Amino acid sequence: GDSVTQMEGPVTLSEEAFLTINCTYTATGYPSLFWYVQYPGEGLQLLLKATKADDKGSNKGFEATYRKETTSFHLEKGSVQVSDSAVYFCALRRAISNFGNEKLTFGTGTRLTIIP
Amino acid sequence: EAQVTQNPRYLITVTGKKLTVTCSQNMNHEYMSWYRQDPGLGLRQIYYSMNVEVTDKGDVPEGYKVSRKEKRNFPLILESPSPNQTSLYFCASSTLGGTEAFFGQGTRLTVV
Repeated sequence: GDSVTQMEGPVTLSEEAFLTINCTYTATGYPSLFWYVQYPGEGLQLLLKATKADDKGSNKGFEATYRKETTSFHLEKGSVQVSDSAVYFCALRRAISNFGNEKLTFGTGTRLTIIP
Repeated sequence: EAQVTQNPRYLITVTGKKLTVTCSQNMNHEYMSWYRQDPGLGLRQIYYSMNVEVTDKGDVPEGYKVSRKEKRNFPLILESPSPNQTSLYFCASSTLGGTEAFFGQGTRLTVV
């Protein structure tokens, strides 16, 4: 079945450091890929997405490129801020027919803490 | 404001006492689903619904029920909660075929 493997946490970085959170996936067909972020006490918010190979999703300084050859979707940011402290989830949604389950398959999450 | 609203946010209950967690969305989305979040396991789907009166099991449906009598509401029912259902629960909604799912703020349930 579908699965997502992401970097174990927690990750602690200093402000302005470069961030990479690794994510690889296993799925049949051509899934859509997502990064969700969960700030303390809140629900999940979509951070960025990519729906086909070689697409680059970007938002709030974060980027991730859909690499089909390596089945990866690594999250990067050039200079992190304290406000980026959160839990980050990589997820996929398989390409579906009109009447299929549109569930998201999530990785286990990576807790990121940025220290001033 | 577009949102998914869950209630309650926090709940402590005893084993075997029936409870309902409500979920409501104001975006006229067809697709709704419930997930539970557990440490080291990420989020796993419990049940989903593709429209009114159309529901089906996700990956971990045992011990849960749902209903979809109205498009906006998708309650999660635990008929006889057990301690292994202690978890953080999220409701989500989206348009069919849409690329973004909207999540509620979560319900932290503790069963003692």
